[in-house]
Amino acid sequence: NAGVMQNPRHLVRRRGQEARLRCSPMKGHSHVYWYRQLPEEGLKFMVYLQKENIIDESGMPKERFSAEFPKEGPSILRIQQVVRGDSAAYFCASRGQINTEAFFGQGTRLTVV
Amino acid sequence: GQQLNQSPQSMFIQEGEDVSMNCTSSSIFNTWLWYKQDPGEGPVLLIALYKAGELTSNGRLTAQFGITRKDSFLNISASIPSDVGIYFCAGPNLWNTDKLIFGTGTRLQVFP
Repeated sequence: NAGVMQNPRHLVRRRGQEARLRCSPMKGHSHVYWYRQLPEEGLKFMVYLQKENIIDESGMPKERFSAEFPKEGPSILRIQQVVRGDSAAYFCASRGQINTEAFFGQGTRLTVV
Repeated sequence: GQQLNQSPQSMFIQEGEDVSMNCTSSSIFNTWLWYKQDPGEGPVLLIALYKAGELTSNGRLTAQFGITRKDSFLNISASIPSDVGIYFCAGPNLWNTDKLIFGTGTRLQVFP
Protein backbone atom coordinates (compact mmCIF):
# COMPACT_ATOMS: atom_id res chain seq x y z
CA ASN A 1 0.00 0.00 0.00
CA ALA A 2 1.68 3.19 -1.20
CA GLY A 3 -0.82 5.54 0.45
CA VAL A 4 -0.27 8.16 3.12
CA MET A 5 0.42 6.43 6.43
CA GLN A 6 -0.32 7.99 9.77
CA ASN A 7 0.45 6.54 13.16
CA PRO A 8 -0.73 5.95 15.67
CA ARG A 9 -4.41 5.76 14.68
CA HIS A 10 -5.44 6.46 18.25
CA LEU A 11 -3.43 8.21 20.95
CA VAL A 12 -4.41 8.83 24.55
CA ARG A 13 -2.41 11.29 26.59
CA ARG A 14 -2.78 12.75 30.08
CA ARG A 15 -2.85 16.51 30.45
CA GLY A 16 0.68 17.86 30.45
CA GLN A 17 2.20 15.03 28.42
CA GLU A 18 3.60 15.29 24.92
CA ALA A 19 1.91 13.91 21.80
CA ARG A 20 3.86 12.94 18.68
CA LEU A 21 1.94 12.27 15.50
CA ARG A 22 3.69 10.76 12.49
CA CYS A 23 2.92 11.01 8.81
CA SER A 24 4.70 9.14 6.03
CA PRO A 25 3.74 10.72 2.70
CA MET A 26 3.09 8.81 -0.49
CA LYS A 27 6.21 7.69 -2.31
CA GLY A 28 7.68 10.56 -4.30
CA HIS A 29 5.66 13.24 -2.51
CA SER A 30 7.62 16.11 -1.03
CA HIS A 31 4.76 18.31 0.24
CA VAL A 32 2.87 17.62 3.44
CA TYR A 33 -0.13 19.36 5.01
CA TRP A 34 -1.48 18.88 8.53
CA TYR A 35 -5.13 19.51 9.40
CA ARG A 36 -7.14 19.35 12.59
CA GLN A 37 -10.76 18.27 12.75
CA LEU A 38 -13.12 18.53 15.69
CA PRO A 39 -16.25 16.31 15.80
CA GLU A 40 -18.95 17.48 13.39
CA GLU A 41 -16.65 20.17 11.99
CA GLY A 42 -14.55 20.75 8.89
CA LEU A 43 -10.82 20.49 8.28
CA LYS A 44 -8.79 23.36 9.70
CA PHE A 45 -5.43 24.00 8.09
CA MET A 46 -2.50 23.93 10.50
CA VAL A 47 0.79 23.78 8.64
CA TYR A 48 2.26 23.17 5.18
CA LEU A 49 5.75 21.74 4.82
CA GLN A 50 8.14 20.74 2.11
CA LYS A 51 11.19 18.62 2.78
CA GLU A 52 13.19 20.35 5.54
CA ASN A 53 11.16 23.58 5.24
CA ILE A 54 8.06 25.02 6.85
CA ILE A 55 6.24 26.90 4.10
CA ASP A 56 3.15 28.10 5.95
CA GLU A 57 2.37 27.64 9.63
CA SER A 58 -0.34 30.26 9.82
CA GLY A 59 -2.84 27.73 11.23
CA MET A 60 -0.64 26.47 14.03
CA PRO A 61 -1.08 27.73 17.59
CA LYS A 62 1.98 29.80 18.52
CA GLU A 63 2.73 27.80 21.64
CA ARG A 64 3.12 24.07 22.31
CA PHE A 65 2.69 23.02 18.66
CA SER A 66 5.52 22.33 16.23
CA ALA A 67 5.96 20.43 12.99
CA GLU A 68 8.86 19.14 10.99
CA PHE A 69 9.48 17.23 7.77
CA PRO A 70 13.10 16.08 7.79
CA LYS A 71 15.11 15.02 4.77
CA GLU A 72 14.76 11.41 5.87
CA GLY A 73 11.80 9.97 7.71
CA PRO A 74 8.20 10.96 8.34
CA SER A 75 6.71 14.35 9.07
CA ILE A 76 6.08 14.84 12.78
CA LEU A 77 3.44 17.00 14.44
CA ARG A 78 4.41 17.55 18.05
CA ILE A 79 2.13 18.88 20.76
CA GLN A 80 3.77 19.65 24.09
CA GLN A 81 1.94 19.83 27.42
CA VAL A 82 -1.34 18.71 25.94
CA VAL A 83 -4.63 20.08 27.26
CA ARG A 84 -8.17 18.73 26.90
CA GLY A 85 -8.88 21.17 24.08
CA ASP A 86 -6.22 19.46 21.95
CA SER A 87 -8.44 16.39 21.65
CA ALA A 88 -9.30 16.08 17.96
CA ALA A 89 -8.57 14.11 14.81
CA TYR A 90 -5.35 15.18 13.10
CA PHE A 91 -4.98 14.43 9.41
CA CYS A 92 -2.03 14.77 7.13
CA ALA A 93 -2.08 14.92 3.36
CA SER A 94 0.71 14.75 0.82
CA ARG A 95 1.16 15.79 -2.77
CA GLY A 96 3.83 15.82 -5.43
CA GLN A 97 5.88 18.73 -6.68
CA ILE A 98 3.69 19.70 -9.62
CA ASN A 99 0.27 18.15 -9.15
CA THR A 100 -2.00 19.90 -6.62
CA GLU A 101 -3.99 16.73 -5.89
CA ALA A 102 -3.44 15.91 -2.23
CA PHE A 103 -4.04 12.50 -0.67
CA PHE A 104 -4.95 11.98 2.96
CA GLY A 105 -3.97 9.51 5.62
CA GLN A 106 -6.52 7.91 7.93
CA GLY A 107 -5.77 10.33 10.72
CA THR A 108 -4.67 10.15 14.34
CA ARG A 109 -7.38 10.56 16.95
CA LEU A 110 -5.89 12.25 19.98
CA THR A 111 -7.73 12.04 23.27
CA VAL A 112 -6.44 14.02 26.23
CA VAL A 113 -7.66 12.78 29.61
CA GLY B 1 -8.01 35.33 3.22
CA GLN B 2 -9.77 33.00 0.83
CA GLN B 3 -12.96 31.41 2.10
CA LEU B 4 -14.81 28.43 0.68
CA ASN B 5 -18.52 28.18 1.47
CA GLN B 6 -20.46 25.04 0.71
CA SER B 7 -24.19 24.62 0.41
CA PRO B 8 -26.31 23.05 1.50
CA GLN B 9 -24.83 22.29 4.91
CA SER B 10 -26.70 19.01 5.05
CA MET B 11 -29.04 16.98 2.87
CA PHE B 12 -31.44 14.16 3.67
CA ILE B 13 -32.54 12.28 0.59
CA GLN B 14 -34.17 9.04 -0.51
CA GLU B 15 -32.11 6.33 -2.15
CA GLY B 16 -32.24 6.72 -5.92
CA GLU B 17 -32.53 10.51 -5.88
CA ASP B 18 -30.01 12.81 -7.52
CA VAL B 19 -27.95 15.17 -5.37
CA SER B 20 -26.49 18.56 -6.14
CA MET B 21 -24.15 20.64 -3.98
CA ASN B 22 -21.93 23.61 -4.59
CA CYS B 23 -18.90 25.46 -3.36
CA THR B 24 -18.23 29.18 -3.71
CA SER B 25 -15.14 31.23 -3.13
CA SER B 26 -14.51 34.88 -2.39
CA SER B 27 -11.70 34.83 -4.96
CA ILE B 28 -10.56 32.97 -8.05
CA PHE B 29 -9.33 29.38 -7.94
CA ASN B 30 -7.29 27.62 -10.59
CA THR B 31 -7.97 24.15 -9.23
CA TRP B 32 -10.96 22.58 -7.52
CA LEU B 33 -10.79 19.31 -5.63
CA TRP B 34 -13.76 17.35 -4.29
CA TYR B 35 -13.34 14.94 -1.38
CA LYS B 36 -15.61 12.56 0.51
CA GLN B 37 -15.09 11.69 4.15
CA ASP B 38 -16.66 8.61 5.74
CA PRO B 39 -17.10 8.56 9.53
CA GLY B 40 -13.82 7.85 11.30
CA GLU B 41 -11.80 7.97 8.07
CA GLY B 42 -9.64 10.43 6.18
CA PRO B 43 -11.00 12.35 3.18
CA VAL B 44 -10.77 10.55 -0.14
CA LEU B 45 -10.21 12.46 -3.37
CA LEU B 46 -13.16 12.06 -5.77
CA ILE B 47 -12.56 14.49 -8.61
CA ALA B 48 -10.00 17.15 -9.58
CA LEU B 49 -10.82 20.06 -11.91
CA TYR B 50 -8.21 22.26 -13.57
CA LYS B 51 -9.94 24.41 -16.20
CA ALA B 52 -12.82 26.90 -16.07
CA GLY B 53 -15.92 25.28 -17.55
CA GLU B 54 -14.47 21.78 -17.23
CA LEU B 55 -16.97 19.00 -16.58
CA THR B 56 -15.53 15.75 -15.19
CA SER B 57 -17.22 12.50 -14.23
CA ASN B 58 -16.22 9.66 -11.94
CA GLY B 59 -18.91 6.98 -12.08
CA ARG B 60 -22.15 8.47 -10.75
CA LEU B 61 -20.34 11.65 -9.73
CA THR B 62 -20.01 14.69 -11.97
CA ALA B 63 -18.24 17.90 -11.04
CA GLN B 64 -17.97 21.20 -12.84
CA PHE B 65 -15.49 24.05 -12.61
CA GLY B 66 -17.55 27.25 -12.77
CA ILE B 67 -16.94 29.72 -15.58
CA THR B 68 -16.27 32.56 -13.14
CA ARG B 69 -13.60 30.37 -11.45
CA LYS B 70 -15.21 31.26 -8.13
CA ASP B 71 -17.43 28.22 -7.83
CA SER B 72 -17.72 24.52 -8.43
CA PHE B 73 -20.57 22.00 -8.38
CA LEU B 74 -20.80 18.32 -7.52
CA ASN B 75 -23.69 16.13 -8.61
CA ILE B 76 -24.39 12.56 -7.58
CA SER B 77 -26.89 10.63 -9.64
CA ALA B 78 -29.07 7.76 -8.39
CA SER B 79 -27.79 7.94 -4.82
CA ILE B 80 -27.15 4.76 -2.82
CA PRO B 81 -26.70 4.24 0.93
CA SER B 82 -22.90 4.17 0.70
CA ASP B 83 -22.95 7.75 -0.61
CA VAL B 84 -23.52 8.81 3.00
CA GLY B 85 -20.72 11.01 4.31
CA ILE B 86 -19.36 14.54 4.26
CA TYR B 87 -18.36 16.08 0.95
CA PHE B 88 -15.69 18.77 0.94
CA CYS B 89 -14.46 21.05 -1.79
CA ALA B 90 -10.88 22.29 -1.62
CA GLY B 91 -8.41 24.37 -3.55
CA PRO B 92 -4.91 25.81 -3.28
CA ASN B 93 -4.58 29.33 -1.91
CA LEU B 94 -2.74 30.89 -4.81
CA TRP B 95 -2.38 34.31 -3.23
CA ASN B 96 -0.38 33.09 -0.32
CA THR B 97 1.69 29.97 -0.12
CA ASP B 98 -0.23 27.38 -2.10
CA LYS B 99 -1.72 25.86 1.02
CA LEU B 100 -4.79 23.75 0.44
CA ILE B 101 -7.92 25.18 2.05
CA PHE B 102 -11.19 23.33 2.56
CA GLY B 103 -14.83 24.23 2.36
CA THR B 104 -17.25 23.91 5.25
CA GLY B 105 -18.60 20.57 4.00
CA THR B 106 -21.98 19.16 2.95
CA ARG B 107 -23.25 16.29 5.08
CA LEU B 108 -25.28 13.77 3.05
CA GLN B 109 -27.69 11.29 4.55
CA VAL B 110 -29.39 8.70 2.30
CA PHE B 111 -32.46 6.81 3.43
CA PRO B 112 -33.37 3.45 1.87
